[in-house]
Order: sequence, then C-alpha cells, then structure tokens
Amino acid sequence: QKEVEQNSGPLSVPEGAIASLNCTYSDRGSQSFFWYRQYSGKSPELIMSIYSNGDKEDGRFTAQLNKASQYVSLLIRDSQPSDSATYLCAVKLNTGNQFYFGTGTSLTVIP
Amino acid sequence: EPEVTQTPSHQVTQMGQEVILRCVPISNHLYFYWYRQILGQKVEFLVSFYNNEISEKSEIFDDQFSVERPDGSNFTLKIRSTKLEDSAMYFCASSDDWATQYFGPGTRLLVL
Repeated sequence: QKEVEQNSGPLSVPEGAIASLNCTYSDRGSQSFFWYRQYSGKSPELIMSIYSNGDKEDGRFTAQLNKASQYVSLLIRDSQPSDSATYLCAVKLNTGNQFYFGTGTSLTVIP
Repeated sequence: EPEVTQTPSHQVTQMGQEVILRCVPISNHLYFYWYRQILGQKVEFLVSFYNNEISEKSEIFDDQFSVERPDGSNFTLKIRSTKLEDSAMYFCASSDDWATQYFGPGTRLLVL
C-alpha cells in the first residue's frame, strides 16, 4: 500500500511566522518528492521538488527530506496571507511513472 | 508564459453517456498525465503518456477510460460510460522532464 500521509489541518500561523508542513510516506522505494500548492478551486502548482536527503531552499521555501524516517517537510518563512492554501505532498517511486498525493494540509496565514 | 489548457471547464452528463475531456499541453513537453480529484479528496493519478503510448496507469484507469493524442497538440481523456462516481475535477498535466509537472485548470465533470 503506497500511502502519503499529511495532517489535514487547518494550520494557522500569523503573518511573518514560519509555517511547517509535514508529510510521511509508506513506500521505501519512493525516490522523488514534491510539494504543490493548491488554492481553493484551482489546480495544483509545483513549489519544490527534492530527491536527496537534507534541505533544499528556494526563496522563502525550504524542503527537508529524511529517507530513513520516510519523512518530508516544507517550511515557509515569513508567511504571507497569499500563502494561505492547501499544500499537497506528492511522491514518486523509483520505478514507474505514477505519482501519489497526500490529502493536503490547509494553511491559513492570519494578517 | 506557456500554460496547459483544458476544455470544457465544466461538463454535465447523464450516467452512461460518453465524455471526452480535452487538454492542450505545453508545446515542447513530452510527458502527459491525467489526474482526478473528487471534491474534498486527494489528487489521484490516472495515467501517464509518453512517446505516443501509455507509460503507466493506475487501478482507477480501467477499461472505461482511454487516452489519445489525436494530433500534435491535443491530449484527450475519454470515459466511455460514465458513472455517478466519476464526478470529479479532472486535471491534465504536462512536463518536459517527467518531474516538473504543469497542471491545467481542470474540467469539472458532474454525472447525473
């Protein structure tokens, strides 16, 4: 069973704070990890991808991967109200072309 | 900026009818995907398409579903005999490197 688990939230943080979003996955064959942002009624938008253990930074976003713990996270620094959305974690195995999505975490940034 | 487009944006159909959902991927992309998202649920992979053939399909993608690339630009998803449980948002995505997927705006399908 290839599960991707996320806390559905809602997660509320004040503007300017750090938002921390977490994701765990069940299949140790998972190779590639993605964070998407989805505004209500809209399509997913890729924020970051990460393939190796450790941290990857892109602007205000940092993805963290720990394959031993089967855990991937997304940190959003200096959170803005425009960051309010649902954040989806997605995983691809090292075989095949299928992507597995979590149910998403709803984030609200309070001005 | 290039984007994936999908038509129609909304489709209402009667149970048992065939529907065709259309997608125009970004022009130089080689990998194409269909996903669905039932209201309030997670995004679910349906099928991936590369080099004019299906590269992978999920358990959801049964014989009722088919995909085609009828010309150099369009990518279609056909549902032969719709069921109530097919009601969902259907997203097309394309990629030039399999990983960086660009999603279209989606087609909201309602089966009555």
